[in-house]
Amino acid sequence: DAKTTQPNSMESNEEEPVHLPCNHSTISGTDYIHWYRQLPSQGPEYVIHGLTSNVNNRMASLAIAEDRKSSTLILHRATLRDAAVYYCILRHTLGGNQFYFGTGTSLTVIP
Amino acid sequence: DTGVSQDPRHKITKRGQNVTFRCDPISEHNRLYWYRQTLGQGPEFLTYFQNEAQLEKSRLLSDRFSAERPKGSFSTLEIQRTEQGDSAMYLCASSGRGQEAFFGQGTRLTVV
Repeated sequence: DAKTTQPNSMESNEEEPVHLPCNHSTISGTDYIHWYRQLPSQGPEYVIHGLTSNVNNRMASLAIAEDRKSSTLILHRATLRDAAVYYCILRHTLGGNQFYFGTGTSLTVIP
Repeated sequence: DTGVSQDPRHKITKRGQNVTFRCDPISEHNRLYWYRQTLGQGPEFLTYFQNEAQLEKSRLLSDRFSAERPKGSFSTLEIQRTEQGDSAMYLCASSGRGQEAFFGQGTRLTVV
């Protein structure tokens, strides 16, 4: 299974942008890059996903490297409610559709 | 639709007892997933259904675990002869035609 590597933890000041990196050097051509986040005592929540091009939605932006071996989740203005564990996941679309989570990045937002 | 619903939210059981959890996915979502999560770890994949067919099972799913999805709607996860190592949060997720999956709040199992 293609694996992702993320820093264990990061800190950000409130109202500043946050860039959460993810390495996925063994990604295959049919793997989508997904980001989910998990607040304490809740199930994971979808944030954004992409295949090759950069993506924007109301929650965040996803920047994907040209060789697809890394990506960055961008939160444009961190709020206290963004404090969570962020998971970068590769989703196989051939032979199954399951998500394989790593240990994620725990984001602390400092007021 | 209020999202993925899991029942119960919490379960305390004695070692050796059987437990069953239920997951109601979002209506018309044909894909359903079960995950297990222990403290400080990311969710671990257990099994995946497309409609009523169980298409994949993780090696983590020992013979004491069984999951069903009759009629392709709700799903149940049963653990027989529970062990203390089964204590975890059990998460259910569903997805439809889109890429994103929607997770429930989970069932927290404590085996004493």
